[in-house]
Amino acid sequence: GEDVEQSLFLSVREGDSSVINCTYTDSSSTYLYWYKQEPGAGLQLLTYIFSNMDMKQDQRLTVLLNKKDKHLSLRIADTQTGDSAIYFCAAALDGGFKTIFGAGTRLFVKA
Amino acid sequence: GAGVSQSPSNKVTEKGKDVELRCDPISGHTALYWYRQSLGQGLEFLIYFQGNSAPDKSGLPSDRFSAERTGGSVSTLTIQRTQQEDSAVYLCASSFGTANQPQHFGDGTRLSIL
Repeated sequence: GEDVEQSLFLSVREGDSSVINCTYTDSSSTYLYWYKQEPGAGLQLLTYIFSNMDMKQDQRLTVLLNKKDKHLSLRIADTQTGDSAIYFCAAALDGGFKTIFGAGTRLFVKA
Repeated sequence: GAGVSQSPSNKVTEKGKDVELRCDPISGHTALYWYRQSLGQGLEFLIYFQGNSAPDKSGLPSDRFSAERTGGSVSTLTIQRTQQEDSAVYLCASSFGTANQPQHFGDGTRLSIL
């Protein structure tokens, strides 16, 4: 079945860019999502990209999709301490009614 | 409008007891999902409801776990004869019932089994 993999930790300095990477296995995945989870809270949808796009920008967030390599990345420009959280990559499959989540990347932002 | 609401936010119970966790989805969302998140882990899919269709129960880890959704809205996840390994955060999400709709999550119920 579909597998979504992410690195577990990333540490950056405040003001630097953060890049969180994700790979997925099901080439038929149509939508790919990035969620953010802060302590004690559920997952908050940050952004998503359709599989026929290769880039999407939304303010400080840039999503890059390499469909050939099944690789997705999330770049956060000018990272702030408030960006410290767990970031989940997710892929929709099975006709778009099921979503498989990665294990999450914990982002630490050092002041 | 109101988001996905889960209750209780925290539940501590003794091993062997039954627990019920409640999820109130966003109004108008016909799809509802339950996930389990163990400490430091990703999301484990448990069950999915879509409208009046039979639920997808493929993620339920054992027959001690069950869920129902009454009237196409509120859902209850029940864990019978709880075990210590059931300790986790149980997250509920809802979405519109068409394909590829993003899921909106509640804040979860943190379940601790003593």
